Amino acid sequence: AQSVAQPEDQVNVAEGNPLTVKCTYSVSGNPYLFWYVQYPNRGLQFLLKYITGDNLVKGSYGFEAEFNKSQTSFHLKKPSALVSDSALYFCAVRDPRYGNKLVFGAGTILRVKS
Amino acid sequence: GAGVSQSPRYKVAKRGQDVALRCDPISGHVSLFWYQQALGQGPEFLTYFQNEAQLDKSGLPSDRFFAERPEGSVSTLKIQRTQQEDSAVYLCASSLVDSTRQANEKLFFGSGTQLSVL
Repeated sequence: AQSVAQPEDQVNVAEGNPLTVKCTYSVSGNPYLFWYVQYPNRGLQFLLKYITGDNLVKGSYGFEAEFNKSQTSFHLKKPSALVSDSALYFCAVRDPRYGNKLVFGAGTILRVKS
Repeated sequence: GAGVSQSPRYKVAKRGQDVALRCDPISGHVSLFWYQQALGQGPEFLTYFQNEAQLDKSGLPSDRFFAERPEGSVSTLKIQRTQQEDSAVYLCASSLVDSTRQANEKLFFGSGTQLSVL
C-alpha cells in the first residue's frame, strides 16, 4: 500500500531564509512523487513532480524538490522564502500499479514572516 | 471556463438528506477525479473517470456515494442519506491526458464544495 508522511504540521521561516518542507513516502515499486500547494479558498495547485531521471526537480515559483531513494524522501525546498509562499503544502505519491489515484500526506502549513 | 468549476461552493444538509455536487472540468480534459478532504487532512481518493467511463471507484466509502459523468464532461457526485461523517470538502480534479496511459499527469483542482451535515 502507498502512504505519505509529512512529519511537520507547520513550518515557520523568516522571509529571505531557505525553507524545507519534509515528505517521506512508502511504496513498494517506483514512485511518482508530487507537490501541490493550497491557498485559502482556492484549489490545489501543482508545483512539481518527480517521475524519473535527475533527482533534483525544479518547479513553479522557485521551488525545487530532491528525490532520495535510500531515505524514501522527497523534501520541498526553496533558497529564499517569500511572505507570499505562506500556504498549505501537500506531498503526494502515485504507484501506477495501483491505479490512477494520488495518495496525499496530511499537509504542512508554511508560514513565512517578514 | 479557465479552470475546474465546482458548485455549490457550500452545502448544508440535514442528516438523512440527499445531496448532489457538480463538477465542470476544463474543456477537453479526459480524466476526472473526485477526492474527499476532511478537516486537517489531505485529500483522499474517491473515484476516477476516463471520459464517461468510471474506471475506479475503490475509494467511495459506502454505497450511499454515487458518481456519474454521462457525457464525458460534467460530473456529479451524489450522496444519499447523508450522515455527519460525510462532512468534508469534496474536490474535483481534471487532467488533459488519459491517466491509464500517462501516469505523470498534472491535475487541475477545483476550489471544492464544503459539505456540512447537521
